Amino acid sequence: DIRVTQSPSSLSASVGDRVTITCRSSQIINSYLNWYQQHPGKAPKLLIYAASNLQSGVPSRFSGSGSGTDFTLTISGLQPEDFATYYCQQSYHSPTFGQGTRLEIE
Amino acid sequence: QVQLVQSGAEVKKPGASVKVSCKASGYTFTSYGISWVRQAPGQGLEWMGWISAYNGNTNYAQKLQGRVTMTTDTSTSTAYMELRSLRSDDTAVYYCAREDRSWYYFDYWGQGTLVTVSS
Repeated sequence: DIRVTQSPSSLSASVGDRVTITCRSSQIINSYLNWYQQHPGKAPKLLIYAASNLQSGVPSRFSGSGSGTDFTLTISGLQPEDFATYYCQQSYHSPTFGQGTRLEIE
Repeated sequence: QVQLVQSGAEVKKPGASVKVSCKASGYTFTSYGISWVRQAPGQGLEWMGWISAYNGNTNYAQKLQGRVTMTTDTSTSTAYMELRSLRSDDTAVYYCAREDRSWYYFDYWGQGTLVTVSS
């Protein structure tokens, strides 16, 4: 299986901050990397697909970049509703998820 | 609008089986695959497998091979996931998700079904 390693595992930030979450795959996955947001008790929500494509309806403060093995999710100008857990997921081969990054209010 | 609506919570004893349903609406069911993803309490997301709603082809996670079966009923646009020989570590919220045909991301998710395995 392709391993996906996310960092950091947790992150504290304030409203208005810019934060970056990284994801590294154990082998080259081209751009088959997706990002999800999950609030407690809710289903995950797709934010970014194919590394850098914003899903319809997702605010433009979310952006993704990278290809190959290294990827980033950036949130510019944190809003209160952005405090959640974020997961990356590779879809190059049998899907695997990163372990998650919990974004908390500082 | 696309919706995936799952069946309700289940409580099962160790060794039993559970079958969770996922009813799709708002799109052509046979044009997409459905993946199942589970999340143990306080843990991350684990992909369980995928089924093509077009022809019923499946691909299961290796660790669940032999215990899981995914099926679809195209007449009702419903996908099913059955897990057998339940253990306590199968306690989780189980999600169905529609899978994009090109980049294989999960763009729509069901609301989740809590399966509790306890004696």
